[in-house]
Amino acid sequence: EAGVTQSPTHLIKTRGQQATLRCSPISGHTSVYWYQQALGLGLQFLLWYDEGEERNRGNFPPRFSGRQFPNYSSELNVNALELEDSALYLCASSVPGLTHYEQYFGPGTRLTVT
Amino acid sequence: QKEVEQDPGPLSVPEGAIVSLNCTYSNSAFQYFMWYRQYSRKGPELLMYTYSSGNKEDGRFTAQVDKSSKYISLFIRDSQPSDSATYLCAMKDTNAGKSTFGDGTTLTVKP
Repeated sequence: EAGVTQSPTHLIKTRGQQATLRCSPISGHTSVYWYQQALGLGLQFLLWYDEGEERNRGNFPPRFSGRQFPNYSSELNVNALELEDSALYLCASSVPGLTHYEQYFGPGTRLTVT
Repeated sequence: QKEVEQDPGPLSVPEGAIVSLNCTYSNSAFQYFMWYRQYSRKGPELLMYTYSSGNKEDGRFTAQVDKSSKYISLFIRDSQPSDSATYLCAMKDTNAGKSTFGDGTTLTVKP
């Protein structure tokens, strides 16, 4: 069974530009979560999508946005990039039901803003 | 103050040692408690989970939750060099939805 995949692996952008990160969940998983992991810090919750709808968002400014497509894949967009947006962005997916707590993570996209 | 505080480490132990990793939390609504292991340049992988208070054992790993003290621990027995990684505690108040993570403890097990 294929795991969660994310693309691209690395992304280098200039301050003020926009970044688009993509995530494909495990087959059968309908929930997708996005987390930001800055260097030396834990994961900070960004967004949760389930069945195509945004269910919850963390304490991030509106320039962080995303969407979930009918095939449950997801996209994270970061507008007006700032230097402090440099981080590893992790996507996780989970399956509805009793094991909803179990989130499977992808390898992440490392975003560098210069 | 952060909702979840994790012992920062780093931690360095000899092979075969017993390792104790700990987190405290402030949100009494948390019911699901997880431990993730993250190798360098990889995404976290779920190691253990516990629902509410109690102990759970899986091979060399034991997860312990004390809700009255708002304290959780992960014990690793007979630690191996392959256990060298960053360990993250995580918690949820409901089955679905976001997890709140600690900042992680980096463990090195020396041969």
